[in-house]
Amino acid sequence: KQEVTQIPAALSVPEGENLVLNCSFTDSAIYNLQWFRQDPGKGLTSLLLIQSSQREQTSGRLNASLDKSSGRSTLYIAASQPGDSATYLCAVRYNAGNMLTFGGGTRLMVKP
Amino acid sequence: SAVISQKPSRDICQRGTSLTIQCQVDSQVTMMFWYRQQPGQSLTLIATANQGSEATYESGFVIDKFPISRPNLTFSTLTVSNMSPEDSSIYLCSVEEPWGTEAFFGQGTRLTVV
Repeated sequence: KQEVTQIPAALSVPEGENLVLNCSFTDSAIYNLQWFRQDPGKGLTSLLLIQSSQREQTSGRLNASLDKSSGRSTLYIAASQPGDSATYLCAVRYNAGNMLTFGGGTRLMVKP
Repeated sequence: SAVISQKPSRDICQRGTSLTIQCQVDSQVTMMFWYRQQPGQSLTLIATANQGSEATYESGFVIDKFPISRPNLTFSTLTVSNMSPEDSSIYLCSVEEPWGTEAFFGQGTRLTVV
């Protein structure tokens, strides 16, 4: 079964800290991987999409990397702010014709 | 990117009743997807809706419980029928155009069944 795992489930850090969120997947032959942000009770906001041929993508203070051989992606958040507090979800598409498989998410709290 | 408007944003409903959730996209899309997110859980795909054909349901979801309409290329509805407290979840619509590329989501509908 193709699964996506996110560890830790929850993370609390002081403001200004650089942090890394982890996403692991069971099959290295992925098509693409997408990181989302979800505020409590709300929908998902797309942060970054990485194609299987790419190693990383950057948007502002966010950087997502992809290492297919080890089955891992990381989301790096630089200089964290209280407004970054949310749940971050990783979703993997294993084939072009497949649906997204979501991880359980990491709930991030950035304390002022 | 696609802009998706989902209504209502939240509702509290009595058990045994039905709620219809609307999803409007600002561009024409081939496929629309409906997800459920139960409290504290990640997302589970309910069904895929194509214009002009019946929706395709994932294992564990049936049309009688979650009827879906897709009257045109920019709009879809999901009805949660004969609700019970176990249906309390966030329901989300999503589009990918073309399929397999970046996915975009609506704001979600937070449903509480009492």
